[in-house]
Amino acid sequence: EPEVTQTPSHQVTQMGQEVILRCVPISNHLYFYWYRQILGQKVEFLVSFYNNEISEKSEIFDDQFSVERPDGSNFTLKIRSTKLEDSAMYFCASSVLTEDTDTQYFGPGTRLTVL
Amino acid sequence: RKEVEQDPGPFNVPEGATVAFNCTYSNSASQSFFWYRQDCRKEPKLLMSVYSSGNEDGRFTAQLNRASQYISLLIRDSKLSDSATYLCVVNIPSSASKIIFGSGTRLSIRP
Repeated sequence: EPEVTQTPSHQVTQMGQEVILRCVPISNHLYFYWYRQILGQKVEFLVSFYNNEISEKSEIFDDQFSVERPDGSNFTLKIRSTKLEDSAMYFCASSVLTEDTDTQYFGPGTRLTVL
Repeated sequence: RKEVEQDPGPFNVPEGATVAFNCTYSNSASQSFFWYRQDCRKEPKLLMSVYSSGNEDGRFTAQLNRASQYISLLIRDSKLSDSATYLCVVNIPSSASKIIFGSGTRLSIRP
């Protein structure tokens, strides 16, 4: 069964450093998403991406964040200058989004720890 | 009113019990509804979509009441492996069908 994959599974970084989180969505999916989940809190929407541009973003997704689809398979989330409060699980998701289905499938997540 | 609201639990029930979770949502334009389950420190996994007429998948039954903006999940004959956090998820109609998660209801099944 096709699945969303994410690398790395765990990233530790120093405050102020840049990090890039990588995702490979399911191959025939066209819509891509990033979510984050701070420990003990709910899953929060960050951004959606379609046709090589951002469709929607939340207020969390400020100028420190950017997304990119650098090639036909990868979808990345970059945090330019990490803060302590960026420590969280980051989940990538993808969907087909047709009239019949808009189910999103999630990757296993990257645990980001900012020291 | 929160966009998606759930009873946080925890629910602690014996194996074999029936347990029900409720969820309310605020956006009357929402069209898609889901229950996901999340195990500790893992990704959310789709349990089932929720259809207007209600739907069943084995021991799991989901119901939708659009008038009350209310979704439910019923688990019959609960198993130890059902222990998880159950997430109510609702779409916000938009260009890319953004989804909003509830905070989740923790379920613990005891032997």
